Amino acid sequence: EDKVVQSPLSLVVHEGDTVTLNCSYEVTNFRSLLWYKQEKKAPTFLFMLTSSGIEKKSGRLSSILDKKELSSILNITATQTGDSAIYLCAVDSNYQLIWGAGTKLIIKP
Amino acid sequence: DGGITQSPKYLFRKEGQNVTLSCEQNLNHDAMYWYRQDPGQGLRLIYYSQIVNDFQKGDIAEGYSVSREKKESFPLTVTSAQKNPTAFYLCASSPPGGRREQYFGPGTRLTVT
Repeated sequence: EDKVVQSPLSLVVHEGDTVTLNCSYEVTNFRSLLWYKQEKKAPTFLFMLTSSGIEKKSGRLSSILDKKELSSILNITATQTGDSAIYLCAVDSNYQLIWGAGTKLIIKP
Repeated sequence: DGGITQSPKYLFRKEGQNVTLSCEQNLNHDAMYWYRQDPGQGLRLIYYSQIVNDFQKGDIAEGYSVSREKKESFPLTVTSAQKNPTAFYLCASSPPGGRREQYFGPGTRLTVT
């Protein structure tokens, strides 16, 4: 059975800290891995990763895929209170997205 | 502005009643999806549709029904057969050409008592 596991489930840090969120997967037919940020309502798309070892970057957020380890990390540097959210990881396998449970990130001022 | 709209934002129903959640998109996307989100769990796929007049069951389709009569619209009916309907429901669509990222509406929170 395809599955995606995120860790930690929740994380509380102070503003300015750097955080690393993890996503590991076991799927039958990997096509890509996607990261989303969910604040109150709709998840918003952050990154899609298909190739191992190539970092995707957007401002203070970056992500990299390791196909050998079947995992991905999402880094957020110099965190701000606006980064508080649930971060979701999903893997495209057999043309369907398999979702992790998410990491709830709380940034304290 | 292009986007996905869902209505209503909050919905309250009595047990035993069917209820229909609306999802509309003007992004010209072919594929549309319905997910259910429960606290502490990932998104679970209810139904999806790759093209008008065609849809497939997802992992938790029991107790739900959909239709896709227009490209822009993909309504979800939560029937009385759904044992635990109280949840947050998200609709999404994805662009054509094999791109897999999905774009989400704001969601509908359904409470059944």
